[in-house]
Amino acid sequence: DIVMTQSPATLSVSPGERATLSCRASQIINSNLAWYQQKPGRAPRLLIYGASTRATGIPTRFSGSGSETEFTLTISSLQSEDFAVYYCHQYNNWPRGNTFGQGTKLDVK
Amino acid sequence: EVQLVESGGGVVQPGGSLRLSCAAPGFNFNEYTMHWVRQVSGRGLEWVALITRDGAGTFYADAVSGRFTISRDISRNFLYLQMNDLRVEDTALYYCANETEKVFDSWGQGTPVTVSS
Repeated sequence: DIVMTQSPATLSVSPGERATLSCRASQIINSNLAWYQQKPGRAPRLLIYGASTRATGIPTRFSGSGSETEFTLTISSLQSEDFAVYYCHQYNNWPRGNTFGQGTKLDVK
Repeated sequence: EVQLVESGGGVVQPGGSLRLSCAAPGFNFNEYTMHWVRQVSGRGLEWVALITRDGAGTFYADAVSGRFTISRDISRNFLYLQMNDLRVEDTALYYCANETEKVFDSWGQGTPVTVSS
């Protein structure tokens, strides 16, 4: 299986500042990468797919970039509702080999 | 907005069985490939199984293959996951989700499964 490694495990950022979350794949996955946001007690929410395409209704402050093995999720100006856990998900080996990262917790500094 | 509602979770002994259900009021399952995804201990997400729009195709993660069966009732707009020979490591919150472009577009709230003696 492709292993997805997210860093850091926890990121502390002040509201209004920029947050940059990283995700690395153990092998090339092209642009077959998605990002999800999960708040406590809630299901994950799709933010980005195809490494850089925002899902329907996702604010423009969320952006994704990267290809092959290195990917980044950037939140340009953090709002209070953005503090959550973020997961990356590779779907290059579809469907049986799709895997998630372990998550980055974004909390208030 | 798509709303998915899972049910059927509970506490079961190792070797036991459960059947999970997923309903989608006002949402036409027929248009989507549907999935089950589970989450262990509030963090680790793991894909479990999928079923194609017409129900003819099913795929399973290696960890559940041969023990779990995904199915759908097109006439009733229900998705199911029959889980047999349950193991402690199957303990998780189970979500149903619809697929768009090979990603999980909308998710239910999850139903918890605990396997314990």
